[in-house]
Amino acid sequence: DTEVTQTPKHLVMGMTNKKSLKCEQHMGHRAMYWYKQKAKKPPELMFVYSYEKLSINESVPSRFSPECPNSSLLNLHLHALQPEDSALYLCASSQGFPSTDTQYFGPGTRLTVL
Amino acid sequence: DAKTTQPPSMDCAEGRAANLPCNHSTISGNEYVYWYRQIHSQGPQYIIHGLKNNETNEMASLIITEDRKSSTLILPHATLRDTAVYYCIVQSGNQFYFGTGTSLTVIP
Repeated sequence: DTEVTQTPKHLVMGMTNKKSLKCEQHMGHRAMYWYKQKAKKPPELMFVYSYEKLSINESVPSRFSPECPNSSLLNLHLHALQPEDSALYLCASSQGFPSTDTQYFGPGTRLTVL
Repeated sequence: DAKTTQPPSMDCAEGRAANLPCNHSTISGNEYVYWYRQIHSQGPQYIIHGLKNNETNEMASLIITEDRKSSTLILPHATLRDTAVYYCIVQSGNQFYFGTGTSLTVIP
């Protein structure tokens, strides 16, 4: 099973709302990633968690707050977002980090900020 | 600076081989080349990866030049379901460095 699941599939939120994106994998992977993808652009790395610890934060604004409650779960808490934050948010996992392991991506959450 | 460059779009006739090129002239000796594809803004799907040698799996073949400065992804018998954006990626230890992608359209 190489499945990474993400919920919700779609999310519409106002600029004053607080919402969370959820990602889950049951492949025993110890590294999990958040990417942001704007239309017609490649995914851009936001955060990397390795063994439930934050390893990389690509200078992401603090209105995005990641959390890794356990090795299978990854959350992205959203607060006071801007319309330009509207994008497809992708979660991925790999066996380890840093490593040359393949990353497996979830289907993404389509976020619209009004 | 981009680690990979890809043509923005390509067409391929159904049933024919699709050959997607990628330049990665600054690749280091321990960096892998990965290929993923993305259909209709779904999550990227892993296709194949390699370091130095050519690789083949049930989906595709990856041909890497001897100097490792470029590679070609080959879909041997393209179908309509292969229409997607194909990303050539250099993996450098910690991270994936995505190219801008090639939008492949398979034509009936």
